[in-house]
Amino acid sequence: RKEVEQDPGPFNVPEGATVAFNCTYSNSASQSFFWYRQDCRKEPKLLMSVYSSGNEDGRFTAQLNRASQYISLLIRDSKLSDSATYLCVVRFTGGGNKLTFGTGTQLKVEL
Amino acid sequence: DGGITQSPKYLFRKEGQNVTLSCEQNLNHDAMYWYRQDPGQGLRLIYYSQIVNDFQKGDIAEGYSVSREKKESFPLTVTSAQKNPTAFYLCASSIGNRGSNQPQHFGDGTRLSIL
Repeated sequence: RKEVEQDPGPFNVPEGATVAFNCTYSNSASQSFFWYRQDCRKEPKLLMSVYSSGNEDGRFTAQLNRASQYISLLIRDSKLSDSATYLCVVRFTGGGNKLTFGTGTQLKVEL
Repeated sequence: DGGITQSPKYLFRKEGQNVTLSCEQNLNHDAMYWYRQDPGQGLRLIYYSQIVNDFQKGDIAEGYSVSREKKESFPLTVTSAQKNPTAFYLCASSIGNRGSNQPQHFGDGTRLSIL
């Protein structure tokens, strides 16, 4: 089983739709959680950190469920420019500052 | 502008040749990392360094070598022992405080191909 698992997609949604991605992680002793966004043939860029109480940044909401070991990302009012691959990233306790990346979920927002 | 600079953007390697990928950061970050990304796969950690003059192997270090003589620089050498070097190579850095919730920030990558 992979340490960080994501549905690869693609998720094809119309502009304006709400879309949610889930990510599960295998190690219960996990410390920090992030969502990154990666455009085609580009480097990953930090979208948001994920906090225990959940957090929101504009149209993006991140949730953490430690008991079930999953993280979610909700995107409201999807824009064409949201089309990208979304990477779930976890820092495991005892791993120093190393991050473990999921393979990503591809989102395509269409007119 | 503060950031992470990788060079070159594209690199071609001949069989049996060693090549070195450059990574420089002016963010005053302590920790630096090298990843490779293959199509349809997640990022895999090659080497990382938490402090100058110290580095550790990641999950796929075989066929690679690094040095960390200066805080701002972390070059990666892809040796001839790496039999499948074609990939997208990404360098990252972070503040690097143990136990902190700091994310990593990436350079824009180097694409390495075999001639």
